[in-house]
Amino acid sequence: EAQVTQNPRYLITVTGKKLTVTCSQNMNHEYMSWYRQDPGLGLRQIYYSMNVEVTDKGDVPEGYKVSRKEKRNFPLILESPSPNQTSLYFCASSLSGKNIQYFGAGTRLSVL
Amino acid sequence: GQSLEQPSEVTAVEGAIVQINCTYQTSGFYGLSWYQQHDGGAPTFLSYNALDGLEETGRFSSFLSRSDSYGYLLLQELQMKDSASYFCAPLSGGYQKVTFGTGTKLQVIP
Repeated sequence: EAQVTQNPRYLITVTGKKLTVTCSQNMNHEYMSWYRQDPGLGLRQIYYSMNVEVTDKGDVPEGYKVSRKEKRNFPLILESPSPNQTSLYFCASSLSGKNIQYFGAGTRLSVL
Repeated sequence: GQSLEQPSEVTAVEGAIVQINCTYQTSGFYGLSWYQQHDGGAPTFLSYNALDGLEETGRFSSFLSRSDSYGYLLLQELQMKDSASYFCAPLSGGYQKVTFGTGTKLQVIP
């Protein structure tokens, strides 16, 4: 089954404790992206990747890192999480040149 | 800069037709996508317009006017399950820069 898989689905952590949210897709998509969704602010793009080793900043990249060492994986790294990064995070992927993005189920993160 | 405007909330009656408007301002515009998101769920793709005009997919249609930087999503024969948030998402900047905005929350009432 074609899908985008995020882990974990729920995470509670404390300020400053490094964490990684994993994202994997099995559709051989070149493009992958991370979004955060906050009430009243909608979906905002954090980082995106056009292909392996090619990443670029979205609208709200501060406090986040990404890497794209393999085509299928695009982890989101929070080196020193802060409470303002409490949010719902979505990973998405699409074929290069295609407009349809497939989203993972989301990761709800709480930073205390 | 970039801007995106949609109504925040819309209420419509089951079986009726509803139109959700979207105006955008973005450089390097490629096209306009629409996504649906139910509460607690992930966004799912509905429709895409690269050219001016109407695209129809079942009960859903989407329209684009590039000269007016305007589009809309038309939902016909509304069903209760259509209650969800709808996002217009302009594509720009090398085809993969996607701006979603705050979306429109549609409530379908009996």
